[in-house]
Amino acid sequence: EADIYQTPRYLVIGTGKKITLECSQTMGHDKMYWYQQDPGMELHLIHYSYGVNSTEKGDLSSESTVSRIRTEHFPLTLESARPSHTSQYLCASSESARGNIQYFGAGTRLSVL
Amino acid sequence: AQSVTQPDIHITVSEGASLELRCNYSYGATPYLFWYVQSPGQGLQLLLKYFSGDTLVQGIKGFEAEFKRSQSSFNLRKPSVHWSDAAEYFCAVGTYTGNQFYFGTGTSLTVIP
Repeated sequence: EADIYQTPRYLVIGTGKKITLECSQTMGHDKMYWYQQDPGMELHLIHYSYGVNSTEKGDLSSESTVSRIRTEHFPLTLESARPSHTSQYLCASSESARGNIQYFGAGTRLSVL
Repeated sequence: AQSVTQPDIHITVSEGASLELRCNYSYGATPYLFWYVQSPGQGLQLLLKYFSGDTLVQGIKGFEAEFKRSQSSFNLRKPSVHWSDAAEYFCAVGTYTGNQFYFGTGTSLTVIP
């Protein structure tokens, strides 16, 4: 079992609110990722990090931002939520020295009204 | 360009029947291949991986997959499907360093009694 945690699991929020989705891992993995997934659809990489103070945008453009101040923590922030942000957000981590197998959290399902 | 193709969007099988989910990849470097399973509302769980060596790999929950370099395929199989196997299955390809990681669009499996 992978030790990667996402909170909250579900979030319903109004348009214009600022939100932060939390992701933490206790495995000491150097790499972390955020994916966006609409129900029954493929995963789209929106952000990734190769280590502390390293963040990059993924293949899918996103209005969210991320930070990596600590190895174990990789929060995702939306400054002003909109209905188009309604989706499931999956966090993952991997370790470079072990073949970069990605381990996933349970996800946060976000609904913006 | 690197890509992963899962030709079957949706598959329905009877409980106890055998299962094969197809995955084809296009990758310039030596591929590292993965299968993940996602239950509704959950994150992705690693079923199995292939890095090198024996081209038939065993995973959890009775699944296996065979790497065929000549066909650029990594098909997932299970001899006898259980109702609890109903889920979304994703094939993925990456490199050992993990700088690139690509998911297929997924295959949804329905199991009927």
